[in-house]
Amino acid sequence: DIVMTQTPLSSPVTLGQPASISCRSSQSLVHSDGNTYLSWLQQRPGQPPRLLIYKISNRFSGVPDRFSGSGAGTDFTLKISRVEAEDVGIYYCMQATQLRTFGQGTRVEIK
Amino acid sequence: EVQLVESGGGLVQPGGSLRLSCAASGFTFSAYSMNWVRQAPGKGLEWLSYIGYNSAIYYADSVKGRFTISRDNAKNSLYLQMNSLRDEDTAVYYCVRDADAYNYVHADSWGQGTLVTVSS
Repeated sequence: DIVMTQTPLSSPVTLGQPASISCRSSQSLVHSDGNTYLSWLQQRPGQPPRLLIYKISNRFSGVPDRFSGSGAGTDFTLKISRVEAEDVGIYYCMQATQLRTFGQGTRVEIK
Repeated sequence: EVQLVESGGGLVQPGGSLRLSCAASGFTFSAYSMNWVRQAPGKGLEWLSYIGYNSAIYYADSVKGRFTISRDNAKNSLYLQMNSLRDEDTAVYYCVRDADAYNYVHADSWGQGTLVTVSS
């Protein structure tokens, strides 16, 4: 099974400042079809998760451009260029290359 | 608009059974793979089971042999039969849309979830 490890687990950020979350997989997420199925999801308090980024760096419909994803192979990063109050929540990486696995989650909070 | 509405949660005793349902609308249900994902109170997300648009089925080890996923494309519905329930199965259970055959975008739609509580 593929294990997804996120760091940090908690990220206090000042409004307007950037935030970065890392996600590492226990094996390469490159699928046999050549795609890398790494997604990022956001879960606001009391809400179901919401897809932000798919296939490493593609923003899903309606996602603000302050969110960006990058990486390759086993190392991936989600960046928020300027954190806003509505960005508070827990962020998960998810791989869909081999079954499905989530990272432990990273809590983003305002300092 | 894509909608996924779960139902069937509730309080059940250890060793008991429940059947969760997910009513899908706003998209061609038969063309999409689907998942069940759960979240224990205060914890992270745990993938449980996948059923493909081609009916391929997979389970997480934690539920293999106890849970059964199924779908009825005529009714635009996804199901999860849960047997031999344990205290640790207490969680909110989400119905999650997976990819179709053309656009490999996974987990792009989530239901609001249904709470399952296993307790005596």
